[in-house]
Amino acid sequence: QLQLQESGPGLVKPSETPSLTCTVSGGSITHSAFYWGWIRQPPGKGPEWIGTIHSSGGTYYSPSLKSRVTISVDTSKNQFFLKLTSVTAADTAVYYCSRFNWNALFYDYWGQGTLLSVSS
Amino acid sequence: QSALTQPPSASGSPGQSVTISCTGTSSDVGGYNYVSWYQQHPGKAPKLMIYEVTKRPSDVPDRFSGSKSGNTASLTVSGLQADDEADYYCYSYAGGKNLGVFGTGTKVTVL
Repeated sequence: QLQLQESGPGLVKPSETPSLTCTVSGGSITHSAFYWGWIRQPPGKGPEWIGTIHSSGGTYYSPSLKSRVTISVDTSKNQFFLKLTSVTAADTAVYYCSRFNWNALFYDYWGQGTLLSVSS
Repeated sequence: QSALTQPPSASGSPGQSVTISCTGTSSDVGGYNYVSWYQQHPGKAPKLMIYEVTKRPSDVPDRFSGSKSGNTASLTVSGLQADDEADYYCYSYAGGKNLGVFGTGTKVTVL
């Protein structure tokens, strides 16, 4: 059974550049039919797509976050990563990693999520 | 890119049906048959319920069904059960390199 697990710093200060990691187990991140995505959900709000990456390195980013987001992948560790620059309180959210089915454009497996809080 | 519009709430008694709408534009919902629906219980990750407008994953009961007309997609939950009480979000491909946008969410209450 495929499993995804997010990890991150938890609490950061405004203007910092936190990185989050998603570790994939129970399957290979290099399967050609799948991409790997980051989605966030602010408290009490709906999810927001951040960006998606293929194991080959190809990336897609949300137009609203593109200038501050970098997503990368390490196939040797079956992990992919999210870096978000110049964070503000508005970036406080639960961050999920997920598998994206490229053929039908949906997210099927999700991690449990990790809370990133931005506060001074 | 604006979020897709969903009603904030919907409700029904056990055994009844409830339908949730998801309204976008011709650039997302209306332009592609790549609408999916997700169920989210409090404190949990979203769970895929419908993909490609009408298709159900094998672990989702057939009480859940999807449809689309023009720029509006819909999710119908028939034979409501207590465990169906959750938040529901739609998602649609938005064209080109914009892989998608989520809906505003609908809280379903089983009376």
